[in-house]
Amino acid sequence: DADVTQTPRNRITKTGKRIMLECSQTKGHDRMYWYRQDPGLGLRLIYYSFDVKDINKGEISDGYSVSRQAQAKFSLSLESAIPNQTALYFCATGGPFSNQPQHFGDGTRLSIL
Amino acid sequence: DQQVKQNSPSLSVQEGRISILNCDYTNSMFDYFLWYKKYPAEGPTFLISISSIKDKNEDGRFTVFLNKSAKHLSLHIVPSQPGDSAVYFCAASGTDSWGKLQFGAGTQVVVTP
Repeated sequence: DADVTQTPRNRITKTGKRIMLECSQTKGHDRMYWYRQDPGLGLRLIYYSFDVKDINKGEISDGYSVSRQAQAKFSLSLESAIPNQTALYFCATGGPFSNQPQHFGDGTRLSIL
Repeated sequence: DQQVKQNSPSLSVQEGRISILNCDYTNSMFDYFLWYKKYPAEGPTFLISISSIKDKNEDGRFTVFLNKSAKHLSLHIVPSQPGDSAVYFCAASGTDSWGKLQFGAGTQVVVTP
């Protein structure tokens, strides 16, 4: 079983819809992150959380919100989806030290029509 | 403003030869650098990292070199194998960023027989 699981893997929806992407992990990590990947731009940080009571905005948080339901679960919501939010979304977890690598899920491909 | 740059979007190399991937950064606070490998329809997987107190780190066929004065790092893959065909991302974090990673745009490597 994957250490970091994202659902759904693919989603097509319409402009204006509310969408939730879910992430769960079995690594026991406190730190969790949401990134989006766009062609030619690499991965950019949307939100991150260092524990259940901690939520922080990343580089591109506008139009998104998150919920940390438990240590193992971190969900990303698009309140009212727009076409330029079409992208590949990745959830990641990280250990307690800043000099440790993050571990990624396999991504959600989101298309907004 | 991208703080981590990979200026070569693609690289083609023959099987058995050396692959050299380059990455430049602008933030002098970065002190931890990583390379991730990504196959299609999968999430990035951690490959190798280096702390700013070192100038070289080796793991099997993979070696990362860090030149702090030039704000440049490179990944050497020797010998290159067909399974190395993937997108490679350079990433960095700093003491002021609490484990948040800044990613480059990625380099697509194709290893030909």
